[in-house]
Amino acid sequence: DIVMTQGALPNPVPSGESASITCQSSKSLLHSNGKTYLNWYLQRPGQSPQLLIYWMSTRASGVSDRFSGSGSGTDFTLKISSVEAEDVGVYYCQQFLEYPRTFGGGTKLELK
Amino acid sequence: EVQLVESGGVLVQPGRSMKLSCAASGFTFSSFPMAWVRQAPTKGLEWVATISTSGGCTYYRDSVKGRFTISRNNAKSTLYLQMDSLRSEDTATYYCATAGFSYWGQGTLVTVSS
Repeated sequence: DIVMTQGALPNPVPSGESASITCQSSKSLLHSNGKTYLNWYLQRPGQSPQLLIYWMSTRASGVSDRFSGSGSGTDFTLKISSVEAEDVGVYYCQQFLEYPRTFGGGTKLELK
Repeated sequence: EVQLVESGGVLVQPGRSMKLSCAASGFTFSSFPMAWVRQAPTKGLEWVATISTSGGCTYYRDSVKGRFTISRNNAKSTLYLQMDSLRSEDTATYYCATAGFSYWGQGTLVTVSS
């Protein structure tokens, strides 16, 4: 199975500051078609997960441009510029290159 | 508006069975592969199973293989998860989602306890 490992945030994050969340996969998620099979999600308190980023760097419909995804085949970053109250929650990365689909353990963002 | 509404979550004893349903609306259900994802209390997300558009292909995580069965009824726009031989470690909120994970339901809580 592909293991997804997420880094922690130096919480709490001051409102208006930027925050970067890291994720590492145990196997390259770069397919021969040139696409990287990596999603990012935000799960706000008490809510279902929401897709933020797919194909490593493409924002999902309706997602603020304050969110951006980048990376290589095994190392990925979700950057949130100018953190706001609505960004509070747990962020997950997930690979969809292979079965079983696997998620990172989650990174909690708290606001100062 | 896309809606996924799960139902069927209850308290059940270990070893027993139960079936979850997920009613879909607002999109062409038969055109989308679908998935179940679960989340144990205070824990992270865990993919459970995926089914193809026709239902002819299914995929499971190892820990539920042989115990859980994912299925669908495209005429009713409904996804199912039959869960047999339930264990305490299956206790979780179960979400249905499109297999690309763009859309999620609100989840239904399954508690396995004596």
